[in-house]
Amino acid sequence: QVQLQQWGAGLLKPSETLSLTCAVYGGSFSGYYWSWIRQPPGKGLEWIGEINHSGSTNYNPSLKSRVTISVDTSKNQFSLKLSSVTAADTAVYYCARGKRDSSWYYYYMDVWGKGTTVTVSS
Amino acid sequence: QSVLTQPPSVSAAPGQKVTISCSGSSSNIGNNYVSWYQQLPGTAPKLLIYENNKRPSGIPDRFSGSKSGTSATLGITGLQTGDEADYYCGTWDSSLRKVFGTGTKVTVL
Repeated sequence: QVQLQQWGAGLLKPSETLSLTCAVYGGSFSGYYWSWIRQPPGKGLEWIGEINHSGSTNYNPSLKSRVTISVDTSKNQFSLKLSSVTAADTAVYYCARGKRDSSWYYYYMDVWGKGTTVTVSS
Repeated sequence: QSVLTQPPSVSAAPGQKVTISCSGSSSNIGNNYVSWYQQLPGTAPKLLIYENNKRPSGIPDRFSGSKSGTSATLGITGLQTGDEADYYCGTWDSSLRKVFGTGTKVTVL
């Protein structure tokens, strides 16, 4: 059974860079799209972006200028960096395994990490 | 702001049925499959329905999904107290991003 374990700094100051890592246990790393999704307090879900085992990425256009997602296939891990954070980036950040076709006709997340609470405050 | 609109809340008594709508456009639901997620309080979302109406292994058939045009619907029959949660629809949007619905809170009366 696939499990995702995530970790990273939970308290940041404005202008700092958020850094989170997600490790994949118990399943194949290839053939999936590894995603980051966030949820501000009391609000809905926002897709941040994805990466596959080859390192090909796609980002939410609204965050693209500040986001970098990378992969380390030797460790079955993928990471998120979000630069120049502000209070608006305060949220629970989830890593998730995505399944989709090449044209995104179907795209869903079937395994999720437990989430990491990130607070941005001076 | 989300491009997929859901009712903020629905409620029903135990054993009854609820339906949750997800309204989009030709830029998203109209041309792509829909998935549904259940988020119990304080936990990560969980996949309930994928490709409009398919259930992952372990999801009871009390949960069902459908799609028509630019809208999708999640149905829950035989409502249980354990179904109290937030529910989100999701799909791909032509703005090149995965989008989620505004979320619906299900309350069991």
